[in-house]
Parts: sequence; C-alpha cells; structure tokens
Amino acid sequence: GAVVSQHPSWVICKSGTSVKIECRSLDFQATTMFWYRQFPKQSLMLMATSNEGSKATYEQGVEKDKFLINHASLTLSTLTVTSAHPEDSSFYICSAREQLAGIYNEQFFGPGTRLTVL
Amino acid sequence: RKEVEQDPGPFNVPEGATVAFNCTYSNSASQSFFWYRQDCRKEPKLLMSVYSSGNEDGRFTAQLNRASQYISLLIRDSKLSDSATYLCVVVSGYSTLTFGKGTMLLVSP
Repeated sequence: GAVVSQHPSWVICKSGTSVKIECRSLDFQATTMFWYRQFPKQSLMLMATSNEGSKATYEQGVEKDKFLINHASLTLSTLTVTSAHPEDSSFYICSAREQLAGIYNEQFFGPGTRLTVL
Repeated sequence: RKEVEQDPGPFNVPEGATVAFNCTYSNSASQSFFWYRQDCRKEPKLLMSVYSSGNEDGRFTAQLNRASQYISLLIRDSKLSDSATYLCVVVSGYSTLTFGKGTMLLVSP
C-alpha cells in the first residue's frame, strides 16, 4: 500500500506553546487528507478534512482556530495545535487518500504523533 | 445509539482458538465496511473489506448483514501475533470513516 509519514512521531511541550505536525504522502498525490485524534481506549475521531488548496472542513466540536490545518501541496498537510493545553494530549493520526471520482478509495494512515502537553 | 458499536473486550483466547467479533452500526445508508487492526500505540492498518457475500482471507472471515446492520469478523486458529485491537469501520459517502472503539484480542500461549 501507499506510504504516509508523520513528523514528529512524539512531542512533549509546555502548556501554552504551539506544536506543528506534518503529514506527507510519499508515493502518491493526496488530494484529500484527514486528521484524527485518539484518546486512550477511545476510537479514532475525525477532526477535520483538508483538501489541497482549500480550507479544511472541521467536525463539530473541533475549534478551527485552535487546530490550524494547512494543505498547501498534494503531498503535505500540517496540523498546528495552538496554545496547547494538557487536555490536548492525545495521539494524532493523519490519513491520505488519492481521489478517484465516485468511489470509495482507501485511506492510508500515517504512523501517528503522540503529543504530551505538560 | 452510537454510530458504530463494538464490545471492547478484552477477548482472552488460547493459541489455536477461533474467536468472533461483532460490530453494529446505526446509519443504514452506510456504503462500505472494513475491519482494521491497531497495535498498541500504532496507526490502524486495513485488515480486510467486508461484503454481504462474505470475504475470506486466510484465517480471517468477514461478513456483513445489512438487514440487521452488523458486521462480523471471525479469526480461526488464533496466533500470538493476532493480539491487537480490531476496529470496525463504516464508511458513509465516499470518504467519511467512522471508527468503533475497537475490540481487544489477547492470544495466549
């Protein structure tokens, strides 16, 4: 399957700082990328969908001003957690999908970024 | 009713056992169904698709019952390496994945 990378794989930061997470599709062009968050023993929850060159679509309850998403190219999307707080500590996973019109196309997941906010 | 429901387990089984997981979903318009496997602190990985006609891949068999809105996964001859959390995933539209919380499987020697 296709390869999606994430960087960093883990990060520890102080409360109030901002953290940027990168998601890259390595061998295909991802017209759509998705950002998920997973708390311990919980399911993956979709945070937002980003399409290359346009604004991200956020799920209900996700603050767009806190979780800034930029999908500037077909191989890169970034998620910035602004003014992070301990409750933002979670496992953030991106996925990428190559657009094929009219059918479901598999999403390939990155390895995840574990964020710990002290 | 939650969108996708799974028994969280854990299911503790000995090597060689057969184990089955079920998953129910609430959106009758859901179009695609999958089982993913997630190891501890790792990303989920696609295990197999689920079709109404059934889908078998080696020791794994997945089944979809649209009328009852449930999906099943059967694992035969369990291996130690099967220990993981199995996520039921339901797709609506062409891109919206909804994950269950997962069912944890622990296979012991």
